[in-house]
Amino acid sequence: DAGVTQSPTHLIKTRGQQVTLRCSPKSGHDTVSWYQQALGQGPQFIFQYYEEEERQRGNFPDRFSGHQFPNYSSELNVNALLLGDSALYLCASSGGSGGFKEETQYFGPGTRLLVL
Amino acid sequence: GEDVEQSLFLSVREGDSSVINCTYTDSSSTYLYWYKQEPGAGLQLLTYIFSNMDMKQDQRLTVLLNKKDKHLSLRIADTQTGDSAIYFCAEMSDSWGKLQFGAGTQVVVTP
Repeated sequence: DAGVTQSPTHLIKTRGQQVTLRCSPKSGHDTVSWYQQALGQGPQFIFQYYEEEERQRGNFPDRFSGHQFPNYSSELNVNALLLGDSALYLCASSGGSGGFKEETQYFGPGTRLLVL
Repeated sequence: GEDVEQSLFLSVREGDSSVINCTYTDSSSTYLYWYKQEPGAGLQLLTYIFSNMDMKQDQRLTVLLNKKDKHLSLRIADTQTGDSAIYFCAEMSDSWGKLQFGAGTQVVVTP
C-alpha cells in the first residue's frame, strides 16, 4: 500500500515564476492538506481540499492556490514566486473511513522548492 | 489565538530516557500529535492522544497530557541513535483537520 507521494522532490525557480507541485494521497484517503515548512520552523497550514473544493485555508496570500482531482490527488500552485517562498512543501492525506481516522494526517516526503 | 511552544534542543545519552515537552494555548484542542522528522524527510506520525485522555503508552513511547496546564510531553524509553531527529508537537482544534505545529525539538542521541 503506497503512502503519500509527492512530485517533484526538488525544484529550483526564479523570482516571478510560477510553480505546480503534485500530491497523491494514501490509498483510501479523500482529504488532502498542504503545509509550508520554512527552514528551522514547524509546518504552516496552507489549505485543505475535500470533494474537489477548498474546505479551509490558512494565512497565505491568493498567490497560493490549489486543486483536487476526482481521484483525490491534488496540486498546489504558487504564482509570482518570491524568495521567501523557498521552503519544503508537505502534503498530508486523511479521511476515507470516518471516525478518528479522518483526523489522522499522514505526510508525504515533501517537495523542496528553492527560489533564486 | 493558537500557539504551540517547544524547547528547541535536547541531548540524551543512548539507553537513557528522553522527555520532550510542549505547551499549547488552544483550550478547544481535540487531538494532540507527535511527529518525527529525520533530515531531508517528511513527517512521520509517532503517536497521538485524545484531549479526554491523560496518558497513552505505545511500546517505547509514553504521552502525558495535563489539560489544566495545557502541557503535553513525549517520553522515549531506552533512547537509540536512530531516535535522533526533530520532534514536532501539533494540535488540532477542529474537525476539519488544520494542524498547528510547534517549532520542533531537535533530539541528539550520543553514544
